[in-house]
Order: sequence, then C-alpha cells, then structure tokens
Amino acid sequence: KAGVTQTPRYLIKTRGQQVTLSCSPISGHRSVSWYQQTPGQGLQFLFEYFSETQRNKGNFPGRFSGRQFSNSRSEMNVSTLELGDSALYLCASSLAADLETQYFGPGTRLLVL
Amino acid sequence: QQQVKQSPQSLIVQKGGISIINCAYENTAFDYFPWYQQFPGKGPALLIAIRPDVSEKKEGRFTISFNKSAKQFSLHIMDSQPGDSATYFCAAIKGSQGNLIFGKGTKLSVKP
Repeated sequence: KAGVTQTPRYLIKTRGQQVTLSCSPISGHRSVSWYQQTPGQGLQFLFEYFSETQRNKGNFPGRFSGRQFSNSRSEMNVSTLELGDSALYLCASSLAADLETQYFGPGTRLLVL
Repeated sequence: QQQVKQSPQSLIVQKGGISIINCAYENTAFDYFPWYQQFPGKGPALLIAIRPDVSEKKEGRFTISFNKSAKQFSLHIMDSQPGDSATYFCAAIKGSQGNLIFGKGTKLSVKP
C-alpha cells in the first residue's frame, strides 16, 4: 500500500506570494491533518479534514487555509507569505475509525525569501 | 502554553546503552500517547504508543513507561544502535479530536 505523498517536496517563494501544497492520503484513509514543523516551535497542528469538512483547527492565522476533495486528497494554501512561514509542512492521514494513529508524509519544505 | 514537555533536548548514548526520553503532559483528557521517530529529510514515523490504562508497553527494544498519577511517560531504547540516531517526539491526543500535540523533540545520537 502506498504511503502518504506530498507535492511538491521543495518550494521557494518570496514574501507576499501565495502557495498551495498537496497531499494524497493512504488509500482508504479519510482523515487528513496538516502540521507545520519549525526548529523553534516544533510540530504544530494546523487543521484536520474529514469528508471534505474541516473538523478541527489549530492556532494559526487565517492566511492558512485548506480543503479536502471527495477522493480524500487535500490541499493547504498559505496567502501573503511571510518569512516566518518557512517550514516543513507535513500531512498525515488516518482511518476514520482511528484518528489516533496518524501516518505522515515526507513533507514539503517551503522557503520564503 | 506547552501541553507536552519533553526532555532532554539532545542525548548522546554509546552503542549498546539505554536511551531514556521523558515527557510530561498537562491535559488529563488526553487518551493516547504515541512516540514518533524522525530521520533527516523524512516525515515522523509512528514508533510505539500507549493508553493511560496501561503502565508499560514493550515492542522489541522500545518500551514506554506510563505514570498516570504523575502525568508522565517515557521512552526507553534498550541496546541502542547507531541506526537509532534520529529525533524522537512524544505526543498526546484526545482521540475524538484528531490533532496530535507534540513535545519539542529529542535528538538522539548513538556513538559506535
């Protein structure tokens, strides 16, 4: 069974631009969560989607948004990029019946210049 | 407010030794406590997990000890190997909410 895939793997943007990251969950997994990883703040929860609905949201500004499609694939968008948005963005998927066991993708490394 | 506190930040152990990483949590609503292992350039991978009604769980060389009254749990890596060198994260989750709360991580180096 293929794991969680994320595209692109690396991205360089400039301040003020916007970016869209993509995540394909493990087949059969309907819950997708997004996390931001930085050296200073560690791993922080962004939001979780299930059946195309955002069920849970972390403490991030409204510039961070996401969505989930009917095939469970998910995208997250960051608008008006700031230097502090440079991070590794991780997607995790889980079965609907087992939200506790989350499988992470390799992440997208975003650098904002 | 840091809900899960992890220590130490870094750890150096000789091959064959025991690596011990500690975590403490605040929210008694958490009902699942996983540990993740992350290698450079990779996403975190689930290593082992425990529920608060169990005091210890062992899988191979990895053991979680859980102290519910103290709200603490720890990861023990027995017979540590150079291949165990990675960053380890403890986490906690309230199962119905789907968001993991992570500790800050421990960078483990196992010297040959």
